[in-house]
Amino acid sequence: EAQVTQNPRYLITVTGKKLTVTCSQNMNHEYMSWYRQDPGLGLRQIYYSMNVEATDKGDVPEGYKVSRKEKRNFPLILESPSPNQTSLYFCASSLVADSSYEQYFGPGTRLTVT
Amino acid sequence: GDSVTQMEGPVTLSEEAFLTINCTYTATGYPSLFWYVQYPGEGLQLLLKATKADDKGSNKGFEATYRKETTSFHLEKGSVQVSDSAVYFCALRSYSGAGSYQLTFGKGTKLSVIP
Repeated sequence: EAQVTQNPRYLITVTGKKLTVTCSQNMNHEYMSWYRQDPGLGLRQIYYSMNVEATDKGDVPEGYKVSRKEKRNFPLILESPSPNQTSLYFCASSLVADSSYEQYFGPGTRLTVT
Repeated sequence: GDSVTQMEGPVTLSEEAFLTINCTYTATGYPSLFWYVQYPGEGLQLLLKATKADDKGSNKGFEATYRKETTSFHLEKGSVQVSDSAVYFCALRSYSGAGSYQLTFGKGTKLSVIP
């Protein structure tokens, strides 16, 4: 089954404790992206990747890191999480970066930072 | 920069009522337009899309027409069901430079359909 998977689905952590949210797709997609969803703000892009070893900042990259060493994986790293990073996070992928291609979303990771 | 404005919710309708969710956009160039749906506790799923002016996207009884002259992409359904209760997001994807295409979302409209 073609899908985007994320782990963990739920995470509660404390301020400053490094964490990684994994994202994997099995569709051989070139383009991958991370979003955060907050009430009243919709979805905002954190980082995206056009292909392996090609990443770039989205609209709200502060406090996050990403890497793309393999085509299928695109982990999101919070080196020192803070309470304002409490949010619902989605990973997405598309075949290529072209505008006509839709993005496929993972199920989401709900992160709480205390 | 690009932006998407969609009607604020929540929207509550009775089953079999007509649905319209307004969406307008601001973008340079020629974006593609999308409607995504998010059911409770799930990720976003593509509902329909249109890639050029006057295209009509349709799926599961929902329709939206890409209107360049009014920069709009309103979502409609003739007869909603309880199972349509979800949050609906309008989005556009356009060229943002350096070979990249960015997806910009509206804030979402929550629809509740009551029997």
